[in-house]
Amino acid sequence: EVQLVESGGALVQPGGSLRLSCSASGFTFSAHNMHWVRQAPGKGLEYLFGISPNGRDTFYAGSVRGRFAISRDDSKSTLYLQMSSLRTDDTAVYYCVKEGGTHMFYWGQGTLITVSS
Amino acid sequence: DIMMTQSPDSLAVSLGERATITCKSSQSVLYSSNNYNYIAWYQQKPGQPPKLLIYWASIRESGVPDRFSGSGSETDFTLTISSLQAEDVAVYYCQQYYYTPWTFGQGTNVEIK
Repeated sequence: EVQLVESGGALVQPGGSLRLSCSASGFTFSAHNMHWVRQAPGKGLEYLFGISPNGRDTFYAGSVRGRFAISRDDSKSTLYLQMSSLRTDDTAVYYCVKEGGTHMFYWGQGTLITVSS
Repeated sequence: DIMMTQSPDSLAVSLGERATITCKSSQSVLYSSNNYNYIAWYQQKPGQPPKLLIYWASIRESGVPDRFSGSGSETDFTLTISSLQAEDVAVYYCQQYYYTPWTFGQGTNVEIK
């Protein structure tokens, strides 16, 4: 069974940094593009980043470029999102998403980041 | 970036009646080489992640009831719930995955009239 478990969510002060992890199981992690999407409270879905197998290619939206970075460790079946210079408008639930395979898109349960002083 | 525009923003439908949501993309998401439209539809209930309903514009995800259907091509797409059930109350999103970054519609809130 496919599982994606995000972790690392926390309450953090503006200007702070955080690293999110997404631990994958039930599929060949190294064969799939992986993505991060976030959702601010009461708002819609916003694509952040994607990364190809082996990290060869990355795909990103402009809104967090330069502050956030995506990476993966295929040996650990884990996806990461490194976030820095956090702002109050980064408050959101952050989802990791698997692309392709048995399910075209499979979403984790999400992890909440709250940026507040 | 591709802009995805859903309508309506909110929809109230009687139980057993049809619900129709439209999604318009600012550019075609039809890939001519495979004739696939790179559109997905999701259902999201409070406190839950989005649940994939439809991909390739019209392919129902495994386990999704057949009252959900998707149609359309190039820039205009529709999600139809043929007979609304109480458990269908949710927010529905369209997504294009032809281009990166993926972009999503703003969401349509479906409720019972």
